[in-house]
Amino acid sequence: AQSVTQPDIHITVSEGASLELRCNYSYGATPYLFWYVQSPGQGLQLLLKYFSGDTLVQGIKGFEAEFKRSQSSFNLRKPSVHWSDAAEYFCAAPGGSSNTGKLIFGQGTTLQVKP
Amino acid sequence: GAGVSQSPSNKVTEKGKDVELRCDPISGHTALYWYRQSLGQGLEFLIYFQGNSAPDKSGLPSDRFSAERTGGSVSTLTIQRTQQEDSAVYLCASSLAGTALHFGNGTRLTVT
Repeated sequence: AQSVTQPDIHITVSEGASLELRCNYSYGATPYLFWYVQSPGQGLQLLLKYFSGDTLVQGIKGFEAEFKRSQSSFNLRKPSVHWSDAAEYFCAAPGGSSNTGKLIFGQGTTLQVKP
Repeated sequence: GAGVSQSPSNKVTEKGKDVELRCDPISGHTALYWYRQSLGQGLEFLIYFQGNSAPDKSGLPSDRFSAERTGGSVSTLTIQRTQQEDSAVYLCASSLAGTALHFGNGTRLTVT
């Protein structure tokens, strides 16, 4: 069965430091992959998506992610973290159908930013 | 509207009562989804509506859960005879077919 794994439940980084959040997927075909961010009391906001083509995807708020088929990974990166980036981050992929909205989510990674 | 709107934002109900949660999708979005976010279970797909097609109800956890979408726009998720394990945040999302989801801020349901 398809699955999405985020190995890190909680990450703390200093403001201005670089960030990488890990995501691994289990999927037969080339997947569609998404990263969403959720601030407290808010819904999920799409950061970026990979459908096909260039494996390095640029998103909003200075985030990027790289699809690596050989590692079954889609890690999220940001070169310099801002305090406002503190939130919960979810990686997601379609749950085995062509319906790209019927998503399987990872368990989420909570990002804490130290001043 | 500009985004997906959900109401109420918070709902506290007694065990055994029925509740209705409302979702107003982005205008023109043909697809509408309900997800549930709870501690220990993460984000779970519940149900999907696409145009006039029969909904995909494969994620509904029990027959106490139902949803409808009237006129291809507003959707209502109904939970009958609520149980404490139904306490969660219920998220609605909409999209154009084949594109990424836009989520509302959710309804936090607490069953006492």
